[in-house]
Amino acid sequence: EVQLVESGGGLVKPGGSLRLSCAASGFTFTSYAMNWVRQAPGKGLEWISSVSDSGSYLHYADSLKGRFRVSRDNAKNSVYLQIDSLNADDTAVYYCARVHNSGWGHIDYWGQGTLLTVSS
Amino acid sequence: IQMTQSPSSLSALAGDRVSITCRASQTIGTYLNWYQQQPGKAPKLLIYAASSLQSGVPSRFRGSGSGTDFTLTISSLQPEDSATYYCQQGYSNPHTFGQGTKLEI
Repeated sequence: EVQLVESGGGLVKPGGSLRLSCAASGFTFTSYAMNWVRQAPGKGLEWISSVSDSGSYLHYADSLKGRFRVSRDNAKNSVYLQIDSLNADDTAVYYCARVHNSGWGHIDYWGQGTLLTVSS
Repeated sequence: IQMTQSPSSLSALAGDRVSITCRASQTIGTYLNWYQQQPGKAPKLLIYAASSLQSGVPSRFRGSGSGTDFTLTISSLQPEDSATYYCQQGYSNPHTFGQGTKLEI
């Protein structure tokens, strides 16, 4: 059974940094690209970043470049999202998601999400 | 690539058929996916590659379109179809989402 379990969310002060983690299981992790998607309270889905199966190719939403950094550790079946200079607009549920490897770019599995709240 | 959905919300009766449209700001072939999100839950994949039904998704969900214009059609609406629906382009990074369409049954 495919499982994606996010962790690392919580309450952080503006200006701080945070690293979110996602532990994957139930599939061959090294065969799939992984995405991070977020959803602010009451808002729609926002695609944040993608990391290729090898970790060699990284992509970010244009509006978020510079403060966000995605990485993965294939030995640990984990993907990470580092966020710096946090502000209130970063308050959201952050989802880790698996990209199906057929090439169509669709997300076939999602984690349950981890809530990040940025507030003083 | 910007994705624009319409309408933003709609109401329908059980048994009705509804359509949600999604327009891309440039051609994306058939690299278009549809998701359903229930309140408080993670999104669920319905349709990929514009018209391919994800395994386990009821056949009353149908996707169509290519290029820049796409449609998600839901037939024989069920109460459990109340949700927000999102399109997403998989043509090029960043794989942007539409703003969502809230469907009330």
